[in-house]
Amino acid sequence: DIVMTQSPLSLPVTPGEPATISCRSSQSLLQSKGYNFLDWYLQKPGQSPQLLIYLGSNRASGVPDRFSGSGSGTDFTLKISRVEAEDVGVYYCMQSLQIPLTFGGGTKVEIK
Amino acid sequence: QVQLQESGPGLVKPSQTLSLTCTVSGGSISSGNYYWIWIRQPAGKGLEWIGHIYTSGSTNYNPSLKSRVTISADTSKNQFSLRLSSVTAADTGAYFCARGVIVPGVRVRYYYYHYMDVWGKGTTVTVS
Repeated sequence: DIVMTQSPLSLPVTPGEPATISCRSSQSLLQSKGYNFLDWYLQKPGQSPQLLIYLGSNRASGVPDRFSGSGSGTDFTLKISRVEAEDVGVYYCMQSLQIPLTFGGGTKVEIK
Repeated sequence: QVQLQESGPGLVKPSQTLSLTCTVSGGSISSGNYYWIWIRQPAGKGLEWIGHIYTSGSTNYNPSLKSRVTISADTSKNQFSLRLSSVTAADTGAYFCARGVIVPGVRVRYYYYHYMDVWGKGTTVTVS
């Protein structure tokens, strides 16, 4: 299985400030056609996960442009340019290059 | 607007079979290029992909569960289901169903790439 490792585990943030979450995969998620099979999901407290970013850097419909995804191969980053109170929750990266699809352990973002 | 709703027993005895159903409203499970997916989350822990069924009926499962899991679809009821046999306490947690949207032209080795755009609210299952 591809192992997904996220850091940090917990991220206290100040509203209006940027935040960065890292995700590393145990093998490259880059396919020969240039796609990175890496998605980002946010699970807000008491809710089911919601899609933020797909194929590494594509923002899902309705996702604010303060969220951006970058990276390639084995190292990926999710950036929030200016954190808002509604952004709290657990962020998960997920690889879909290989079955089983696997998730990172999650990064809990909370307001300071 | 497509909505998904999980249903099933909240309590299952050890060694028995867990059976959950996901009812899809606002769209047909037999039309379009979608995967229909089950994911679970032990209390206070991360997410685990269980498996999916494609519109055509083909399935893929997590190898760690493959001998115990079956995902099927009932197009007449617009539902898809999860059966997990020989359950233990380790199978306790929240179970989510989700829709996977295929991105045209993006294929992985054994399936089409898809992202999960609609999720059910989840249902909690306790094995005890």
